[in-house]
Amino acid sequence: DGGITQSPKYLFRKEGQNVTLSCEQNLNHDAMYWYRQDPGQGLRLIYYSQIVNDFQKGDIAEGYSVSREKKESFPLTVTSAQKNPTAFYLCASSTFPPGRENEKLFFGSGTQLSVL
Amino acid sequence: DQQVKQNSPSLSVQEGRISILNCDYTNSMFDYFLWYKKYPAEGPTFLISISSIKDKNEDGRFTVFLNKSAKHLSLHIVPSQPGDSAVYFCAASEAGGTSYGKLTFGQGTILTVHP
Repeated sequence: DGGITQSPKYLFRKEGQNVTLSCEQNLNHDAMYWYRQDPGQGLRLIYYSQIVNDFQKGDIAEGYSVSREKKESFPLTVTSAQKNPTAFYLCASSTFPPGRENEKLFFGSGTQLSVL
Repeated sequence: DQQVKQNSPSLSVQEGRISILNCDYTNSMFDYFLWYKKYPAEGPTFLISISSIKDKNEDGRFTVFLNKSAKHLSLHIVPSQPGDSAVYFCAASEAGGTSYGKLTFGQGTILTVHP
């Protein structure tokens, strides 16, 4: 059963702590993305990776870091520098390139991060 | 700077009637538009898309209309069903360059379909 698996579903972060959100896909997709959802603000792009060992900052990368050592995995670390980390985090993937049809992102079920 | 805007936070319709969800954009470089549907505590799922070379795309009960001159698109759901109740996100993409494959999302509209 192909898809994107995000874990954990719920995560709590203490002050000054780094936490890592996991994202694994078995769709053989080249590109992977991290989005953040806040109420009333839609989805905002944090980081994306179009190929292994390469990634780019999205619109709100400050306070976050990523790695892409394997095609299947794109973990996101929320560092202590991220002052407002409480949000719903969504990982997505897509084939890349080419073709506009490949821009249909497939999303995981998300991780809700809250600050203690 | 919100490049994709969904100005209606919520919409309530009766089962069997038409639901019309609207989306406006400001970036003239956007040339591919998508609608996603999201249930609570789940990831969005792709619903329908349209390229800027078209002004209409239909898939079953779902039709998306694009008005490039007005930088406006809309999603029509006919007939609406209670299972359509969800948050609907409009998204847009630019052609080429480093923006390829990145989507810009609107804020979402909560659709409630009453039996």
